[in-house]
Amino acid sequence: SAVISQKPSRDICQRGTSLTIQCQVDSQVTMMFWYRQQPGQSLTLIATANQGSEATYESGFVIDKFPISRPNLTFSTLTVSNMSPEDSSIYLCSVSRSTGRGYFGPGTRLTVL
Amino acid sequence: GNSVTQMEGPVTLSEEAFLTINCTYTATGYPSLFWYVQYPGEGLQLLLKATKADDKGSNKGFEATYRKETTSFHLEKGSVQVSDSAVYFCALSDQETSGSRLTFGEGTQLTVNP
Repeated sequence: SAVISQKPSRDICQRGTSLTIQCQVDSQVTMMFWYRQQPGQSLTLIATANQGSEATYESGFVIDKFPISRPNLTFSTLTVSNMSPEDSSIYLCSVSRSTGRGYFGPGTRLTVL
Repeated sequence: GNSVTQMEGPVTLSEEAFLTINCTYTATGYPSLFWYVQYPGEGLQLLLKATKADDKGSNKGFEATYRKETTSFHLEKGSVQVSDSAVYFCALSDQETSGSRLTFGEGTQLTVNP
């Protein structure tokens, strides 16, 4: 299993600012995943964060908008840059085990005014 | 690429009714299949899983069978309760083609009335 914590749990931000979300896992993992869940929508993968290398971004997501750090095997951050109201979402950190089963953090609920 | 399609929602049922939420998938490899549940105000939790064809996942009275011939993984429960009200997501993981990432369906909002 894996226990994942995220900070902050929620935030309300002004347009044009940036927010960094932290994700901490209770065990070492090779890959960490960042998902976005827009209001009333499903989860969409933003990027995969590997320790010691650049994150891999999915189509429609770019590093300038969503820079990711992965300084060690238990921690990652996602920054949402130059925010607009369209960025209002729940952002979730996730890790997987060998069966493909995903463990998810509680999410960060972001509201951009 | 991989994709997951869920039945259109939302679904509203009376307590003790039978539930089916349809899920079909497209994958180039041999995926593992999952149902996740998101209760109001809570995080995403794994409900059940199946890792190969004909496997049946079950938990809390919910069941789903991995049907390779129909590329389906429909969720069923014989008698729903008010406490089952939540959003249900079907998902797949295809280690061969996309590593450990999960591909999710659109989600189905279930409301159970007393």
